[in-house]
Amino acid sequence: EIVLTQSPGTLSLSPGERATLSCKASQSVSITSLAWYQQKPGQAPRLLTYGATSRATGVPDRFSGSGSGTDFTLTISRLEPEDFAVYYCQQYGLYRATFGQGTKLEIK
Amino acid sequence: EVQLLDSGGGLVQPGGSLRLSCAASGFTFSSYAMSWVRQAPGKGLEWVSGISTSGTSTYSADSVRGRFTISRDNSKNTVYLQMNSLRAEDTAIYYCARVFPLDVWGPGTTVTVSS
Repeated sequence: EIVLTQSPGTLSLSPGERATLSCKASQSVSITSLAWYQQKPGQAPRLLTYGATSRATGVPDRFSGSGSGTDFTLTISRLEPEDFAVYYCQQYGLYRATFGQGTKLEIK
Repeated sequence: EVQLLDSGGGLVQPGGSLRLSCAASGFTFSSYAMSWVRQAPGKGLEWVSGISTSGTSTYSADSVRGRFTISRDNSKNTVYLQMNSLRAEDTAIYYCARVFPLDVWGPGTTVTVSS
């Protein structure tokens, strides 16, 4: 089973700053099989990016995914107040998946 | 509107059973594989189980294999999760989602396993 490790556990930044979230896999992951999700308190997760670099419908272009092999990154170019939430990376196969443990992005 | 609505959660004693349902609308349900994902209180996301478009192929996480069964009825646009031999550690919000990636999620249904 592929294990995904996200860092940092908590990231404290101010609106307007750039956020860089890391996701490292225990073995190589296909670039087409890596996604990022955002979750706000009391809500279901929301798909942000998939295929490592593609944005989901309606996701602002300040969100971008990158990476390959075992190292992947979600970048939020300029933080808006609504971006403070928990972020999860996920790798998926045909019918199964694993998630990272999450990064909490909090207001500094 | 593309939508999933999960239901069936509740309070159940350890060792008991529960069946969750997820009704889909706004898309061709039979064309999509489906999954269940759970989130224990204050914890992260855990993929639980997945099912192919026809229902002939199913997959489960090690933590629930042999106790949980995923199934679907394409005539009713519904996916199910039958949960048996429930344990305290199965307490969580359970989400159904369209796969992969998980681009549509239900609002979640809460399962509490406690005596």
